[in-house]
Amino acid sequence: EPEVTQTPSHQVTQMGQEVILRCVPISNHLYFYWYRQILGQKVEFLVSFYNNEISEKSEIFDDQFSVERPDGSNFTLKIRSTKLEDSAMYFCASGGGEQFFGPGTRLTVL
Amino acid sequence: KNEVEQSPQNLTAQEGEFITINCSYSVGISALHWLQQHPGGGIVSLFMLSSGKKKHGRLIATINIQEKHSSLHITASHPRDSAVYICAFLKTSYDKVIFGPGTSLSVIP
Repeated sequence: EPEVTQTPSHQVTQMGQEVILRCVPISNHLYFYWYRQILGQKVEFLVSFYNNEISEKSEIFDDQFSVERPDGSNFTLKIRSTKLEDSAMYFCASGGGEQFFGPGTRLTVL
Repeated sequence: KNEVEQSPQNLTAQEGEFITINCSYSVGISALHWLQQHPGGGIVSLFMLSSGKKKHGRLIATINIQEKHSSLHITASHPRDSAVYICAFLKTSYDKVIFGPGTSLSVIP
């Protein structure tokens, strides 16, 4: 059964460093999403992506964040200069109605 | 005011009990999702619905668009159903998903 995959499963970084979180969506899906969940809090929408451009983004998704589909399979979330408060689980999802979630990347910023 | 609320926040049930989790929202939506988040953090989509009722195994989801309310029912609950159940929806005219705060369910043998 096709599934969304994410790498790495856990990323530890120093404050101020850039991180790139990677996702491989399900191959025939056209809509892609990034969400984050700070420990103990609810899941929050970050950004949606369709037709090689951002279709919607939240207030959280500021200039420090960017998304890219560098090739036909990967979908990446880049955080340019990480802050302590960026520590969270980041989920990628793909789909066009029903969404299929990846297993998440746990980002720890020290 | 929160756009989406869930009740109860926490629920403990005995194995075999019938469980209902409620979700109320205050905006126009194009579809509502019920998601299950396991203790390890992974998220699984259980249902997507925009009207009526859907059933999958022991799970039933209903939605009343006029009343802006949805329910998730679990029949014959089992300890493996222990998880956080989240309702989330796509706002009308927006490609943005709003998540509820989740209901933490614990089913005791």
